[in-house]
Amino acid sequence: GDSVTQMEGPVTLSEEAFLTINCTYTATGYPSLFWYVQYPGEGLQLLLKATKADDKGSNKGFEATYRKETTSFHLEKGSVQVSDSAVYFCALSDGSGAGSYQLTFGKGTKLSVIP
Amino acid sequence: DAGITQSPRYKITETGRQVTLMCHQTWSHSYMFWYRQDLGHGLRLIYYSAAADITDKGEVPDGYVVSRSKTENFPLTLESATRSQTSVYFCASSEKPYYEQYFGPGTRLTVT
Repeated sequence: GDSVTQMEGPVTLSEEAFLTINCTYTATGYPSLFWYVQYPGEGLQLLLKATKADDKGSNKGFEATYRKETTSFHLEKGSVQVSDSAVYFCALSDGSGAGSYQLTFGKGTKLSVIP
Repeated sequence: DAGITQSPRYKITETGRQVTLMCHQTWSHSYMFWYRQDLGHGLRLIYYSAAADITDKGEVPDGYVVSRSKTENFPLTLESATRSQTSVYFCASSEKPYYEQYFGPGTRLTVT
């Protein structure tokens, strides 16, 4: 079945550091890929998405490129801020026609940014 | 633009009681979902609905019941709450199948 693997956290960075959170996936079809962010006590918010190979999703300084050859969708940001402290989830939606239309999530990576 | 709301935000109930978690969305999205979030398990799908009066089981449906008489509402009922159902519950909606989902703020449920 489909699966998403994220790098284990927690990740602690100093403000203005470069961020990479690795995400790889396994899917039977041609999935769409997403990054969600969850701030403490809140629901998941869509951060960015990519629907086909070589697409780059971007939002709020975050970027991720859909790499079919390496089945990856790594999240990057050039300069993190304290306000970026949150849990980040990589997810996929496999449009192969089978299943429940659900998103398959990674376990989440907690990011803490210190001043 | 209210989006997707859940109520209550926090609930404490006793083992064996029935409890209903509410979910309401204002986008007229066809697809709606219930997930639970637990440490060590991530997010797991409980039930989903493709339209009013169409619902189906997800990964962990046991002990839960859903209904969807109106497009905008998707309540989740725990028929007889157990301690293992202590969790954070998220409702989500999507315009089309396999598109991005939009999540509510969650309900933190504690079963004592």
